[in-house]
Amino acid sequence: GNSVTQMEGPVTLSEEAFLTINCTYTATGYPSLFWYVQYPGEGLQLLLKATKADDKGSNKGFEATYRKETTSFHLEKGSVQVSDSAVYFCALRGGTSYGKLTFGQGTILTVHP
Amino acid sequence: NAGVTQTPKFQVLKTGQSMTLQCAQDMNHNSMYWYRQDPGMGLRLIYYSASEGTTDKGEVPNGYNVSRLNKREFSLRLESAAPSQTSVYFCASRETGGAYGYTFGSGTRLTVV
Repeated sequence: GNSVTQMEGPVTLSEEAFLTINCTYTATGYPSLFWYVQYPGEGLQLLLKATKADDKGSNKGFEATYRKETTSFHLEKGSVQVSDSAVYFCALRGGTSYGKLTFGQGTILTVHP
Repeated sequence: NAGVTQTPKFQVLKTGQSMTLQCAQDMNHNSMYWYRQDPGMGLRLIYYSASEGTTDKGEVPNGYNVSRLNKREFSLRLESAAPSQTSVYFCASRETGGAYGYTFGSGTRLTVV
């Protein structure tokens, strides 16, 4: 079946530091890949997505590239801000999964001034 | 604003009590989902409804039932609550087709004592 593995957190960074959160996946066929962000006390919001190999999703300074050869979709940001503190979830939607998302366990990011 | 509305936001139940979590979306989406979120485990799918009139089990359906009342509403029922069902519950919806992300509600925090 489908699965998603994220790097374990929590991750603590200083403002303006570089961020990488690793995500690898196992899936049959050609899944779509997503990053979601959850701010404290809120639901999940779509951060970015990629639908095929070598696609790069980007939003709010975050980027992730769909790497089929390494089955990865790592999230990066060049300079984090305090407001980026949140929980980040990597997820995939398989080609035959009727739209069901499979989530990683989530990575807590805390950014200090 | 358009979106997914969940009620209630917080609930405390005693073991053995029953309750229904309500979810409604106003985006005319075909598919709706119920997830539970537990620390270190990401989100796990409980039930989903690919379209009005259909429901199917997800990864962790035991102890739950659902009703797709109409296209807008998708409720989750706990018939006899157990402490293991203490969790945060999220409802989500999605337009069928394409690699679209989900729209999530803000969640229901349920505690079973």
